[in-house]
Amino acid sequence: DAGVIQSPRHEVTEMGQEVTLRCKPISGHDYLFWYRQTMMRGLELLIYFNNNVPIDDSGMPEDRFSAKMPNASFSTLKIQPSEPRDSAVYFCASSHRGPLREKLFFGSGTQLSVL
Amino acid sequence: AQRVTQPEKLLSVFKGAPVELKCNYSYSGSPELFWYVQYSRQRLQLLLRHISRESIKGFTADLNKGETSFHLKKPFAQEEDSAMYYCALRSGKSTFGDGTTLTVKP
Repeated sequence: DAGVIQSPRHEVTEMGQEVTLRCKPISGHDYLFWYRQTMMRGLELLIYFNNNVPIDDSGMPEDRFSAKMPNASFSTLKIQPSEPRDSAVYFCASSHRGPLREKLFFGSGTQLSVL
Repeated sequence: AQRVTQPEKLLSVFKGAPVELKCNYSYSGSPELFWYVQYSRQRLQLLLRHISRESIKGFTADLNKGETSFHLKKPFAQEEDSAMYYCALRSGKSTFGDGTTLTVKP
């Protein structure tokens, strides 16, 4: 397995534009997490899904952020409209059921720059 | 509510010196605790977890329920240990601390 796959690796956009980040979890994993990493705030959990259902979205900063998981192999995080303060590295992670389900596997992240 | 605190954002030691990265947590149940590491230009990866009581790359971490701590220790730091370290607590969702950047100087 190639691991958790995120795209794009880098995104540079102008303020006000819509941004969509994509994630493909490891096949068979039933948990999917979206995190945001910044120097100031470290790693923040934005939202997580279990079996494609959003369980906790309390970390989503505001209504400009939305996340979907239409099926077990794909998730998106959308920011509309984007703002400079959204600039960060966004990580997707997944974990699988069973005794090892607590271990998270992270993607390489998407470096987002909003100008 | 669960919470993880890493009091040091930056930690610098010399090669060969002992290193301890502090982590404290608050959680009402029985916690599952982990340390993740992110080396430069690499993805975040699991370093170790308390449940397996393992030593990885010379690092160990002991869960102290009385002090609600899970400090990461290594007796002799190496330059390749320089990285960002995150302590995390898992109960369904995973809560991460703010991270500690460790720099090991030659």
